[in-house]
This record gives sequence, structure tokens and C-alpha cells, in this order.
Amino acid sequence: QKEVEQNSGPLSVPEGAIASLNCTYSDRGSQSFFWYRQYSGKSPELIMSIYSNGDKEDGRFTAQLNKASQYVSLLIRDSQPSDSATYLCAVPRTRSNYQLIWGAGTKLIIKP
Amino acid sequence: DAGVTQSPTHLIKTRGQQVTLRCSPKSGHDTVSWYQQALGQGPQFIFQYYEEEERQRGNFPDRFSGHQFPNYSSELNVNALLLGDSALYLCASSLGPGTSNGGNFGAGTRLSVL
Repeated sequence: QKEVEQNSGPLSVPEGAIASLNCTYSDRGSQSFFWYRQYSGKSPELIMSIYSNGDKEDGRFTAQLNKASQYVSLLIRDSQPSDSATYLCAVPRTRSNYQLIWGAGTKLIIKP
Repeated sequence: DAGVTQSPTHLIKTRGQQVTLRCSPKSGHDTVSWYQQALGQGPQFIFQYYEEEERQRGNFPDRFSGHQFPNYSSELNVNALLLGDSALYLCASSLGPGTSNGGNFGAGTRLSVL
């Protein structure tokens, strides 16, 4: 089992709809979780971080964390074509916070 | 306030050559982490430098080495390049080791090994 897993996609969503991206992780001790957006050929950009169970909202983005089920999700409301990118989930390794463990990313396509 | 800067942006090498990539951390940051991102994959942790020492290392061979300078900037060296070393190399800076704030990433260096 991979430490951090994401569906590679592509996930196709109509413009204006809600895009839902999911990530599961294997280490029950994980305490913090990050979502990054990466445009093709560019470096990852941190868009959301979440540390506690429940929802965290920032503009059109909502991160949801369920530690009991070991998943974290990212919702994007009112999806725009500019949201088309690969979304990466990352979790610090609990034995050593030095390392971020990344999923392979989900490619999101917003159709006008 | 300058963010993380990496140089060069693109690099083409041939198998067996050696390469040096450079990273300057965000102002006020003292810790630099390096990641390798192959096409279609998530980044993989290479190592982290703090106080001019390698603090933690991922699953990478000794061909990958690094250095941190007193001004906190860092270099990543890769010897005996293989085709499989072709990737986007990312540098992230943070304040202090063991941080879990997600870091600040540079624009990356795209390395192509022919």
C-alpha cells in the first residue's frame, strides 16, 4: 500500500460545478495535511493545509479531514477553467517531519 | 521579499556527466529541502540541509549529494547521471528543520539527461 494515494484522473468537471478530489494516507499518526496545485511544467503551489478533523474553508476551496477513515479531500466550488491543473496531496512523515510524502496527484480538467 | 530561487531553470546533460543545481531560500529561512519529481509522479524527498549539515535523507543513492553554505543557500550535486535522473528538481525552504508548514517551493530546475 502506498503511503499517500490519489486517483490519477483525469477528473473532468463542468465549469461552475464542484470538483471533489480525494487522498488517503496510511500513517495513522499523521497530524498535518497539505494540498498543492501544480500547473504543467511549474512547481507545486500550496493552496490548503489542514490539521484538525472537519472542514477548513478558504475562498472557493474547502479541505476536509477525517482521521478515523484516514482520508483528506479538497472541494473546489464554482470551478473555473483556471483551476485545471494537477492537485497533489502531501503528508509529513511522522517519524521525521523532515520529509513530505506525496501522492502522485489528480489531474483536474474544468470544461467550459 | 524574494522567494525561493533556483538556477538554472533548464539543463541538458548526457549520461555519465555531473550536474550542480542551486537554491537560495526565502529570506529569513534557514532550512532547505530537495525533491525530485519525475513526469507524472509526485515529488520524492532527496534530503534536507540545516546548519550546513544533511539532516535527513530519502531513498536516493550516494550519487546525489548536497551542500549548504553559511548564507543558507544550497547545492544539489548528481554524479554519473543516468537517463532516469531526468526530472524536475524542486527546492523548498522553511524556518527550522522538522517543520511541517508545507514549505515554500522554488520554480524548479528541469534536468534532461540524454
